[in-house]
Amino acid sequence: DAKTTQPPSMDCAEGRAANLPCNHSTISGNEYVYWYRQIHSQGPQYIIHGLKNNETNEMASLIITEDRKSSTLILPHATLRDTAVYYCIVRVATGTASKLTFGTGTRLQVTL
Amino acid sequence: DAEITQSPRHKITETGRQVTLACHQTWNHNNMFWYRQDLGHGLRLIHYSYGVHDTNKGEVSDGYSVSRSNTEDLPLTLESAASSQTSVYFCASSEHPRNSPLHFGNGTRLTVT
Repeated sequence: DAKTTQPPSMDCAEGRAANLPCNHSTISGNEYVYWYRQIHSQGPQYIIHGLKNNETNEMASLIITEDRKSSTLILPHATLRDTAVYYCIVRVATGTASKLTFGTGTRLQVTL
Repeated sequence: DAEITQSPRHKITETGRQVTLACHQTWNHNNMFWYRQDLGHGLRLIHYSYGVHDTNKGEVSDGYSVSRSNTEDLPLTLESAASSQTSVYFCASSEHPRNSPLHFGNGTRLTVT
């Protein structure tokens, strides 16, 4: 399984962009990069995913480097409600389905 | 709206007792997963299922079992609860094998005394 490495914590001022990095140097060509977040004790929430192209949705943007060895999740205008643990995950495909392997994530603290 | 629900939200049980945690999804997803979350370990996969009557072991499956008799439900059973199984348990489901997100429930906090 491809492993991911994230900084344990980051701070961001409210209204500013939050850029969360992730290294996944052993990723295979057919593995997707997923981002989830977990707010307090709730279940993880899906944010975005991509294979090799940059992706954007209503929550965030995902920038994947050309060699696919790293990626960055961008929250363009962070709010206090974005304070959470963010997980970068490489999706392993086995057989007809796949499972996610979560690491310990990055704790993002958004401050006033 | 489709959803995934877990019950109970909180459970306290004694060592040695059998406990079953329920997970029900109305997404009609074939793929379902159970994770446990402990401080310092992130989320770890316990068991997963690709469809009815299919079950597979994850990385921390010892002491747990699952059964899949229909598409909507994947109950998790602790055969003989141990204090090491005190944790928060999350159930999840997904539609497609690789290119679809997991939808998570809000978890069950289990305490084994």
